[in-house]
Amino acid sequence: SYVLTQPPSVSVAPGQTARITCGGNNIGSKSVHWYQQKPGQAPVLVVYDDSDRPSGIPERFSGSNSGNTATLTISRVEAGDEADYYCQVWDSSSDLGVFGGGTKLTVL
Amino acid sequence: EVQLVESGGGLVKPGGSLRLSCAASGFTFSNAWMSWVRQAPGKGLEWVGRIKSKTDGGTTDYAAPVKGRFTISRDDSKNTLYLQMNSLKTEDTAVYYCTTAVGVATRNAFDIWGQGTMVTVSS
Repeated sequence: SYVLTQPPSVSVAPGQTARITCGGNNIGSKSVHWYQQKPGQAPVLVVYDDSDRPSGIPERFSGSNSGNTATLTISRVEAGDEADYYCQVWDSSSDLGVFGGGTKLTVL
Repeated sequence: EVQLVESGGGLVKPGGSLRLSCAASGFTFSNAWMSWVRQAPGKGLEWVGRIKSKTDGGTTDYAAPVKGRFTISRDDSKNTLYLQMNSLKTEDTAVYYCTTAVGVATRNAFDIWGQGTMVTVSS
């Protein structure tokens, strides 16, 4: 089965840029989606299809995907961005959904 | 307002069964491909399974840990999604979310989520 690997934690100071990676075999050939989840809440889609943003998501959230690594970039980080972030792809070979293990973003 | 509301969670003994429901509103449910995603306490998100729309075949797919034990179905006349869970194990303890894509141009990302319903499997 397809495996997505995320760092357990990332820390960043307010106003700086946070980069959260998602590794997978030839992930650049897949469409990657990113979710933000705050404690006690359902996940929120923040980036889909590698780099598109759903309506209402700030431009500070962006994504890229190439080779074996996809990246979620959060610019001008705010305290309210502190959350868990998950990458997700659809494994077309098995027709199953796959989530990464999640990354806890801490705003210092 | 686009909304998903899960119900049916609770405490069940190992080996028991439970059926979750997810009531949809605010979008054309019959056209939607619907998924279930779960989250064990303190753990990450885990995709459980999906059902396609009837016009796309109505087929189902399941993650390996639940295949053969869980069944996803839908009643388009009631705008409701179901998850029948049999032979439950302690490791099935989790919050269960129903989710779908409504406002994005892909079937494989999830922009609409319910609030989740807790399932606890314990003796």
